[in-house]
Amino acid sequence: QVQLQESGPGLVKPSETLSLTCSVSGYSISRGYYWGWIRQTPGMGLEWIGSIYYSGSTYYNPSLKSRVTLSVDTSKNLFSLNLTSVTASDTAVYFCARVVVGAQRTFDYWGQGALVTVSS
Amino acid sequence: DIQMTQSPSSLSASVGDRVTITCRASQTINNYLNWYQQKPGKAPKLLIYSASNLQSGVPSRFSGSGSGTDFSLTISSLQPEDAATYYCQESDITPWTFGQGTRVEVK
Repeated sequence: QVQLQESGPGLVKPSETLSLTCSVSGYSISRGYYWGWIRQTPGMGLEWIGSIYYSGSTYYNPSLKSRVTLSVDTSKNLFSLNLTSVTASDTAVYFCARVVVGAQRTFDYWGQGALVTVSS
Repeated sequence: DIQMTQSPSSLSASVGDRVTITCRASQTINNYLNWYQQKPGKAPKLLIYSASNLQSGVPSRFSGSGSGTDFSLTISSLQPEDAATYYCQESDITPWTFGQGTRVEVK
């Protein structure tokens, strides 16, 4: 059973960097699949942030690309999100997910979500 | 970006009712259309992928149809546990985008 778990600070100050980690169990990241981040806010709804392959290849949402960096650590079976220069509009629940590509393009397994609040 | 528009934004129906939610894309998306169910405080759960394929473990009362720009999710016989918000999502062109959601209330 594939399981994902987000972790990281729940409170980040404006202009600082939001950092989250997604630990994966039940599946080795290095076996394949892309791994992604999605966030949810009451105002914007669900928004795809970006996806990363175990090799490090990445795709980013152009709306966030200048501030986002995804990375992967296959030795620890986890991947991470860094979002710089955050503002209150980055307050959201952040989900990590496994990304299926090819004939079936979906987010098939999700973490439970991590609420991150941007506030001084 | 492709805009996904769902209707209605909310609905209320009785147990056993047939419920249909529609999703319209701002351009043709080659059937790369997925449906998710989200309950309060939980992550979205994949129900349907590629417009009409039922994800493993999802009850058969859920079905999806459509092509091009117009798609729908149908619950053939609404159950109490189906109370949730439902989202469509296109995965044809990045950035993948979601609809705004349809909240389903079970009377």
